[in-house]
Amino acid sequence: GNSVTQMEGPVTLSEEAFLTINCTYTATGYPSLFWYVQYPGEGLQLLLKATKADDKGSNKGFEATYRKETTSFHLEKGSVQVSDSAVYFCALSGTGANSKLTFGKGITLSVRP
Amino acid sequence: DVKVTQSSRYLVKRTGEKVFLECVQDMDHENMFWYRQDPGLGLRLIYFSYDVKMKEKGDIPEGYSVSREKKERFSLILESASTNQTSMYLCASIQGSSYEQYFGPGTRLTVT
Repeated sequence: GNSVTQMEGPVTLSEEAFLTINCTYTATGYPSLFWYVQYPGEGLQLLLKATKADDKGSNKGFEATYRKETTSFHLEKGSVQVSDSAVYFCALSGTGANSKLTFGKGITLSVRP
Repeated sequence: DVKVTQSSRYLVKRTGEKVFLECVQDMDHENMFWYRQDPGLGLRLIYFSYDVKMKEKGDIPEGYSVSREKKERFSLILESASTNQTSMYLCASIQGSSYEQYFGPGTRLTVT
């Protein structure tokens, strides 16, 4: 079945540091890949997505590239801010736009001033 | 803006009680989902529904049931709450042709 593996956390960075959060996946067919973010006290919201190989999703300074050859979708940001402190989830959905999501375990990012 | 609302942010129930968690979305989405979120385990799918009166089991349906009598409302039911059902419960909905699931704010349920 489908699965998503995220790097272990939590991660603590200083403001303006470079961020990488690793995500790899196992899936049959051609899944779509997502990063969701959960700010304190809130539900999840979509951060970015990529629906086919070599697509790059980007939003709010975050980027992730769909790498089929390495089955990866690593999240990066060049300069993090305190407001980026949140829990980040990598997820995939199977073939078809309304397929259910499979989530990674999530990683907590804390950014200190 | 799409809005997914959940009936309670915090709930405390006793072991053995019947618990209802309600979720309502206002964008006429066909598909709705219930997840539970636990530290170190991420989100796990409990049940989902593709249409009114339709339901399908997710990865961890044991101890739960659901009801979808109207398109906008999806209820999660704990027939007899147990302490191992203490968790954060998240509801989500999605338009059939879209990729993005919209989440509610979550209900933190404590079973004592």
